[in-house]
Amino acid sequence: ETGVTQTPRHLVMGMTNKKSLKCEQHLGHNAMYWYKQSAKKPLELMFVYSLEERVENNSVPSRFSPECPNSSHLFLHLHTLQPEDSALYLCASSRSGQPQYGYTFGSGTRLTVV
Amino acid sequence: KNQVEQSPQSLIILEGKNCTLQCNYTVSPFSNLRWYKQDTGRGPVSLTIMTFSENTKSNGRYTATLDADTKQSSLHITASQLSDSASYICVVSAIHNNDMRFGAGTRLTVKP
Repeated sequence: ETGVTQTPRHLVMGMTNKKSLKCEQHLGHNAMYWYKQSAKKPLELMFVYSLEERVENNSVPSRFSPECPNSSHLFLHLHTLQPEDSALYLCASSRSGQPQYGYTFGSGTRLTVV
Repeated sequence: KNQVEQSPQSLIILEGKNCTLQCNYTVSPFSNLRWYKQDTGRGPVSLTIMTFSENTKSNGRYTATLDADTKQSSLHITASQLSDSASYICVVSAIHNNDMRFGAGTRLTVKP
């Protein structure tokens, strides 16, 4: 375990379903991130939360909705997804303002949209 | 065009052999460069991090080099093991906003 825990590890959902991905970190970090990783493509940054405030949203479709209730927890709420949204979704955490040090990833959630 | 380019895209070697992975970047102004190892279905795990003043850093059988003038880095794996089979991702950060740019990775397969 890296100190960043993601659940579930695998998720299969229909295009009309609503589901949520969860991320929890036990490293004392105060910045958290969501990434999408598709096959043979670089990681795509989706959302950044620093000190529980969203500081970046990289033109992500509204069918992805993040939530950060506190500095240790991060959620990604999913609804009416498309098959092309199938990917590995990674959560990461770091110290706010210092992502170059101690940037830690979770193990990811493998999402399949059918 | 991605600001971090890795080569080769994939590589197959025999157990016990050495290999070198390449990373070229255009990110500027440069802050640091990291190599991550990502096992299939897992998140990336940091192997090394290098700043502008460092040109070599080792972590066991992994040795990373950095040439900040030519904006190139390499990751050398010595005496490969089956457990080295993974994707290796190069990540470069810029100074002014700590923006991290990811390469697409090199998929390494070590065969017995």
